[in-house]
Amino acid sequence: GAVVSQHPSRVICKSGTSVKIECRSLDFQATTMFWYRQFPKQSLMLMATSNEGSKATYEQGVEKDKFLINHASLTLSTLTVTSAHPEDSSFYICSAGISNQPQHFGDGTRLSIL
Amino acid sequence: SQQGEEDPQALSIQEGENATMNCSYKTSINNLQWYRQNSGRGLVHLILIRSNEREKHSGRLRVTLDTSKKSSSLLITASRAADTASYFCATALSSGTYKYIFGTGTRLKVLA
Repeated sequence: GAVVSQHPSRVICKSGTSVKIECRSLDFQATTMFWYRQFPKQSLMLMATSNEGSKATYEQGVEKDKFLINHASLTLSTLTVTSAHPEDSSFYICSAGISNQPQHFGDGTRLSIL
Repeated sequence: SQQGEEDPQALSIQEGENATMNCSYKTSINNLQWYRQNSGRGLVHLILIRSNEREKHSGRLRVTLDTSKKSSSLLITASRAADTASYFCATALSSGTYKYIFGTGTRLKVLA
């Protein structure tokens, strides 16, 4: 089956640091990549949708300047949490898919900001 | 919020019993999917049911869809301890946007 690799799996860093998370589709070219945020024991909240070569579409309430998304190729998207603060601590999950097909998820990144 | 709701929020059963989870959603959909998430991991796709389908099976999984009630159910038969996970429904909107709305999830615990 399709494999999506997300890296790193865990990050612990100081407040004010910027953190980059990578999402790669390893064996297929994804038309679209998605970034989600998940709080403990809660559902996934879509943050943004990105298509290769174009600007990401952010969901309402998600700060574009805070969560920078780059989708440089059909197999790689990155999420950068800029100047992270403790309230940004969360579990971030990416997924990749081809139009209207089931999404394939990475294993998530647990971000802890001290 | 467009988010769907699932019930129960948590379910604890004995191995061998059946587990039923329900999902309700708010908007017209193109399809509905069920995903499974083990603790601290990503989601794994289980099954997709299209808006013109009423029931679908995959191994021990049975999914129903009632578009008139905007609801779906996931039945896991003969549950095993390894089925312990959170289960989420996700709806693909009929607007054509490639975007899924996830339900609130059901945390299933299967006791050996």
